[in-house]
Amino acid sequence: DVKVTQSSRYLVKRTGEKVFLECVQDMDHENMFWYRQDPGLGLRLIYFSYDVKMKEKGDIPEGYSVSREKKERFSLILESASTNQTSMYLCASRQTGGTYEQYFGPGTRLTVT
Amino acid sequence: DQQVKQNSPSLSVQEGRISILNCDYTNSMFDYFLWYKKYPAEGPTFLISISSIKDKNEDGRFTVFLNKSAKHLSLHIVPSQPGDSAVYFCAASDHGNQFYFGTGTSLTVIP
Repeated sequence: DVKVTQSSRYLVKRTGEKVFLECVQDMDHENMFWYRQDPGLGLRLIYFSYDVKMKEKGDIPEGYSVSREKKERFSLILESASTNQTSMYLCASRQTGGTYEQYFGPGTRLTVT
Repeated sequence: DQQVKQNSPSLSVQEGRISILNCDYTNSMFDYFLWYKKYPAEGPTFLISISSIKDKNEDGRFTVFLNKSAKHLSLHIVPSQPGDSAVYFCAASDHGNQFYFGTGTSLTVIP
């Protein structure tokens, strides 16, 4: 069974803080993704990575950066958290080729006050 | 601009009846479509998918239909069960790198 884990289920941070969200997958998948989910907007892609040290911007990369130093780990960084980054953050992974199916982690509910 | 749209935010169906969830897309370059199911406090889980070279794919109680000319896909659940109550997202991809998700439809199956 593929497992994608995220470092925290709930996180509360203050405006201006640097925030790290960690994601780890155990199935040796090449591709990893960070999404945010907001009511009425669905899932929106922030960044994705198709290999170690590689990254590509998604639809809403502003205010975020990512790091992929190891194949199994993909980190999302909020350099200076703002209240409009309060959201549910979902990490996903998938193997290259195949059915394009993504495996999601349980999500991190981030609140920025 | 939303490239994948689910125009019905919610749907209620009686147990045993058919549930039909709809999804429209705008980009004719999309070549693969997926449906995910999401329970509260959990990440989405993959349900069923379809390639653009097909117009139907079936897996047990779940069938996805694709109408490329109308840029429309639908998910049929027959018969609906209370455990199917969840939020359903459709997603589309152009060659598997970037995925575009709809806004979700919350399905309630009434016992």
